Amino acid sequence: AQRVTQPEKLLSVFKGAPVELKCNYSYSGSPELFWYVQYSRQRLQLLLRHISRESIKGFTADLNKGETSFHLKKPFAQEEDSAMYYCALSGYSGGSNYKLTFGKGTLLTVNP
Amino acid sequence: DAGITQSPRHKVTETGTPVTLRCHQTENHRYMYWYRQDPGHGLRLIHYSYGVKDTDKGEVSDGYSVSRSKTEDFLLTLESATSSQTSVYFCAISRPGLAALKGTQYFGPGTRLLVL
Repeated sequence: AQRVTQPEKLLSVFKGAPVELKCNYSYSGSPELFWYVQYSRQRLQLLLRHISRESIKGFTADLNKGETSFHLKKPFAQEEDSAMYYCALSGYSGGSNYKLTFGKGTLLTVNP
Repeated sequence: DAGITQSPRHKVTETGTPVTLRCHQTENHRYMYWYRQDPGHGLRLIHYSYGVKDTDKGEVSDGYSVSRSKTEDFLLTLESATSSQTSVYFCAISRPGLAALKGTQYFGPGTRLLVL
């Protein structure tokens, strides 16, 4: 079974402060992890994926297999970063099929 | 937006009424998914499809059925709507043939369903 845990439902920071959104996972195989973001009343969109080791909008996330974590970080938060963030794990579901399991999400608010 | 539309965008219905939501894609992707989004639960997979007439259940499939008679359309049906099915429903597509994109899904704009 695969599981994704985001321990914080809400996270509030001030503009310019560092931000870290936590994500822990449980999966018996080799995980593929993602962060998705949903701005107010918009559709979900991919923010970044661990396999690409990319930085998008100043956000980075490092896969730590020892701690089974994939925390999302940004050194200086901006007001436009306010959104709902979902951590997701792609796992094998049989045949040639994969499915995403999402965490429950963290609502980030960046205050001016 | 990967050419994904959902219809209707908003719907209010009464308990016991059948409801069908439509997801339409223009990019010929093989895999399509239906999720529901609820506060405190995040996104939960209802059903998914890996090709025409090939569908499978997700984690919250009770009370829902799906059909996929064409590549571009994936229909979600609530046979007899209940208040617990009040939610925002998202459709998504993916292209798992590319290893790096196995978990990359593109989402539709969502359908807000209220069951009274």
